[in-house]
Amino acid sequence: GAGVSQSPSNKVTEKGKDVELRCDPISGHTALYWYRQSLGQGLEFLIYFQGNSAPDKSGLPSDRFSAERTGGSVSTLTIQRTQQEDSAVYLCASSFKPRDDYEQYFGPGTRLTVT
Amino acid sequence: AQSVSQHNHHVILSEAASLELGCNYSYGGTVNLFWYVQYPGQHLQLLLKYFSGDPLVKGIKGFEAEFIKSKFSFNLRKPSVQWSDTAEYFCAASDGGSQGNLIFGKGTKLSVKP
Repeated sequence: GAGVSQSPSNKVTEKGKDVELRCDPISGHTALYWYRQSLGQGLEFLIYFQGNSAPDKSGLPSDRFSAERTGGSVSTLTIQRTQQEDSAVYLCASSFKPRDDYEQYFGPGTRLTVT
Repeated sequence: AQSVSQHNHHVILSEAASLELGCNYSYGGTVNLFWYVQYPGQHLQLLLKYFSGDPLVKGIKGFEAEFIKSKFSFNLRKPSVQWSDTAEYFCAASDGGSQGNLIFGKGTKLSVKP
């Protein structure tokens, strides 16, 4: 079956521009997570969704970051007025339920480069 | 604050050597622990996990990890590595809550020489 997909796979943008990153989770997975992997920093939790709602937005690094999920499926992470420090690989994961005893399945990531 | 630390940034081994990757966590209460692996060009995938019970857990591809509560550690081991184990390994933890989000370490890159 299909896994988690993300698009685009690579995105190069100029500083100050807005970008949208998309995640298609595994069908039937109610939980969706966004992580960021910066050079030498490991994976940093950003936000998670249970259905279409995001109970915990505390991981978002600034108010330039926002995310939404529609129809309990696709999610979009939006970064406004991008900065060079936003350059990273953005990973999406989904699981059947938002509990850690349900395995998270990761997508291939979107590599964002802000010039 | 909850955190996970991995001691080694890059480990280089020859095939058949034994592997141990260190992981320490800092959590106030219940903790669930994971090791993930990312092979070159592939997605992050789960190697093994510990929730409770036997502190020695076995995962895929001959990997195992031991939870030592007194040392706040969850080290990953493999008796004999293969070239195909070349990958980046991430230790992660969660507090067993209803969110499921994971706190990851910075990762250890393993290079196995044939």
